[in-house]
Amino acid sequence: GQQLNQSPQSMFIQEGEDVSMNCTSSSIFNTWLWYKQDPGEGPVLLIALYKAGELTSNGRLTAQFGITRKDSFLNISASIPSDVGIYFCAGLKTSGSRLTFGEGTQLTVNP
Amino acid sequence: NAGVMQNPRHLVRRRGQEARLRCSPMKGHSHVYWYRQLPEEGLKFMVYLQKENIIDESGMPKERFSAEFPKEGPSILRIQQVVRGDSAAYFCASSRLAGDLAHSYNEQFFGPGTRLTVL
Repeated sequence: GQQLNQSPQSMFIQEGEDVSMNCTSSSIFNTWLWYKQDPGEGPVLLIALYKAGELTSNGRLTAQFGITRKDSFLNISASIPSDVGIYFCAGLKTSGSRLTFGEGTQLTVNP
Repeated sequence: NAGVMQNPRHLVRRRGQEARLRCSPMKGHSHVYWYRQLPEEGLKFMVYLQKENIIDESGMPKERFSAEFPKEGPSILRIQQVVRGDSAAYFCASSRLAGDLAHSYNEQFFGPGTRLTVL
């Protein structure tokens, strides 16, 4: 089945640094979602994007829905140790349909 | 407001046994989705259900796997005659769904997962 191409696969940064990760697809998605997953837990929704070109913030997180509807990025500013985890992008084509996930970005923040 | 509930959190089965995974959606949500996650991979869609109806089961293996969401009670994902390759984390998600794509009702919220280990 189709997967989203998410990069980078992993990142090692110092506390206080900014982080950027992105997802691309060969096909159009009408909604983009970003989730964070901690070890042994389910994904937690961070940001949802509904319109092409939309830029949305949630605290230190900022995400954008690409104008072509085939990509999205997530930025985390001034990282802190609790930002550690795996970040997944997910695309939704139509209402009530499956989410298609990226392979995840493993983020490590060194104090 | 309780989130999505899943039980058990951990399940160990021997090859050939049956595994039953349960999911209770968030209050007010009538749409349930099941996903499977292998170690160090993203989640893969399995099946989408509404009350008493399977809407999309295209991601679920044709044999040994079944799912239901009865009028009363939780959604059940059943795996018969488990094999070692079934070992994975199984996540349930729920949404409210308004039919309008540009709406937060389409957002899927996940439970903590059931980690199935087949010996």
